[in-house]
Formats: sequence, C-alpha cells, structure tokens
Amino acid sequence: EPEVTQTPSHQVTQMGQEVILRCVPISNHLYFYWYRQILGQKVEFLVSFYNNEISEKSEIFDDQFSVERPDGSNFTLKIRSTKLEDSAMYFCASSESGHNSPLHFGNGTRLTVT
Amino acid sequence: QQQVKQSPQSLIVQKGGISIINCAYENTAFDYFPWYQQFPGKGPALLIAIRPDVSEKKEGRFTISFNKSAKQFSLHIMDSQPGDSATYFCAARNSGNTPLVFGKGTRLSVIA
Repeated sequence: EPEVTQTPSHQVTQMGQEVILRCVPISNHLYFYWYRQILGQKVEFLVSFYNNEISEKSEIFDDQFSVERPDGSNFTLKIRSTKLEDSAMYFCASSESGHNSPLHFGNGTRLTVT
Repeated sequence: QQQVKQSPQSLIVQKGGISIINCAYENTAFDYFPWYQQFPGKGPALLIAIRPDVSEKKEGRFTISFNKSAKQFSLHIMDSQPGDSATYFCAARNSGNTPLVFGKGTRLSVIA
C-alpha cells in the first residue's frame, strides 16, 4: 500500500536555527498538509497546499513557517528560526481530493529544539 | 466552537471487553466525523468515519454511534484485543473543504 514518507524521523536543533522537514506524499495525491502534535496533546492543523500554493493555514503557521514543493515528489516544511515551543511531532499528510477525501499521514518527524 | 472534546483521556479494558470513547462538539456545521488510530512512533491512521445522516456505522469490531441532537459521537470497540492498544483521536470537519479538528486523544490499553 502506498504511504507518505517523512525524513528525518528525529531532528535536534538549537534555538534560532533553521530546520527543513521533508515529506514525500503519495504519488497520485494532489493535496498536501502539515500537522503537528505537541507531546501528549492533540493533533493540530498547520497548513494545506494545493496546486503549488497554500490553500489554508492556521494561526500557528506564522511568518517563521513556510512550505514548498521543490519538485514533483517532495513537500517540505521550513521553520526559519526555531523556538523551544516548536518542539513537537510534525506530521505530513496527503489526500487525493482535499479535505473531502481521507487523509493519509506519515510517521512524523520528532523535532526537538534545545 | 471549533473544538472537539474527547473523553476519557485514558482507558484500560480487559481483553474481550468493550472499549467506549466519547466525543462532543459545538459546531453544527460539522458534517464529517472520523476516528483515527495512532500507534507509538506512527502517524494517525483513519479507522472509521461517519456523516450526520446516519446514526451508526459498523466496520468489523469498530462501531461509531452518532447523536446529532446531542452533538455527540462515540467509538465502540467490541471484543477488545491487546493489539487495539493505541491512542484514538476523534475529529470533525465543517461542510466544505476545511481542515480536520482533532480531539485530544484517548490512550487505550487492553490487558489480557
């Protein structure tokens, strides 16, 4: 069964540094998402991306965050200047036709900001 | 109004028993209610979903019960097995193409 893959599985960075989290969505999917999960808490929506542009973003997704689809397969989340409170699991997800179809999540990247 | 409130936070069930997890919502525009299952180190995986035009949906040992007037929905796991031990999230979405809103999760432990 095709799956969403994310790299790295764990990223440790110092406060103020830039990080890029990478995702390869399922190949025939058109909608891409980033969610995050602070340890022990709920899964929170960050951003959705379709047709090479952001279609929706949450309040969490401020100017420190950006997303990009640099080629036909990768989808990246960049955090420009990390803060301690950015420490969380970041999940990439994709779907065939937007929020009206099931979301398929990757296994996540655990980001630890020290 | 965008919140989905999930309970209990954790649940311990004997093997063979019934696990019940409840969720409540305020936003009457929600029209899609999925449940996700998450194992440690993995991303959430869609388990079962329901729309408000039906009161119950069953897939194998998993059943969603939906009460539109009470704005509540619940997941029932029949004949719970140790392999069902995971974190379960309810979620909801507005009509139209809007993001899923997740509950805080329930950590289920099924003990033999």
